[in-house]
Amino acid sequence: GNSVTQMEGPVTLSEEAFLTINCTYTATGYPSLFWYVQYPGEGLQLLLKATKADDKGSNKGFEATYRKETTSFHLEKGSVQVSDSAVYFCALGYNFNKFYFGSGTKLNVKP
Amino acid sequence: NAGVTQTPKFQVLKTGQSMTLQCAQDMNHNSMYWYRQDPGMGLRLIYYSASEGTTDKGEVPNGYNVSRLNKREFSLRLESAAPSQTSVYFCASSPLRGGVGNTEAFFGQGTRLTVV
Repeated sequence: GNSVTQMEGPVTLSEEAFLTINCTYTATGYPSLFWYVQYPGEGLQLLLKATKADDKGSNKGFEATYRKETTSFHLEKGSVQVSDSAVYFCALGYNFNKFYFGSGTKLNVKP
Repeated sequence: NAGVTQTPKFQVLKTGQSMTLQCAQDMNHNSMYWYRQDPGMGLRLIYYSASEGTTDKGEVPNGYNVSRLNKREFSLRLESAAPSQTSVYFCASSPLRGGVGNTEAFFGQGTRLTVV
């Protein structure tokens, strides 16, 4: 079946630190991969996406590369800010309009 | 610029009560979804609708019913609420219609439901 596994949080970093949130997936076929971000009290917002192997999605300094050989889509940012504190969800989109989400990783960035 | 609108934002129910969560999107999307979000479990799909007039079960459909009233609206009904249904509920929509899932889903702000 299809599933997404992401690292458990919370992740606590100091401002300007490097961020990596690991995400691996299991899927048959060729899914698209997404990172969503959820700020407190809000719904999920798309952060970035990649639709095929070796694609790199990027937005607001965040990047993730679709690695088919390792079935991974790790999220990275070179220098986090306090405003990046949120919950991050890795997800895959597959046939018949279904999306599968990881359990979410909470990021806390301290000044 | 409304996107996906959910009502209500908060609700407290007593065990056994019924209620309907409303969702509407103004993006002319074909697909709509209901998810529940529980701590440590991410989002789990309750029901989805690939197009007007069709609905299908997701991962956790028990205790829920849905109606795709028209292309814009997709409601979720709890017939007899239970404490296990305490959760945050998200409605989402996507322009996707069949085929590979290469378009993103757009989410509403959520409904925080407590069943006591």
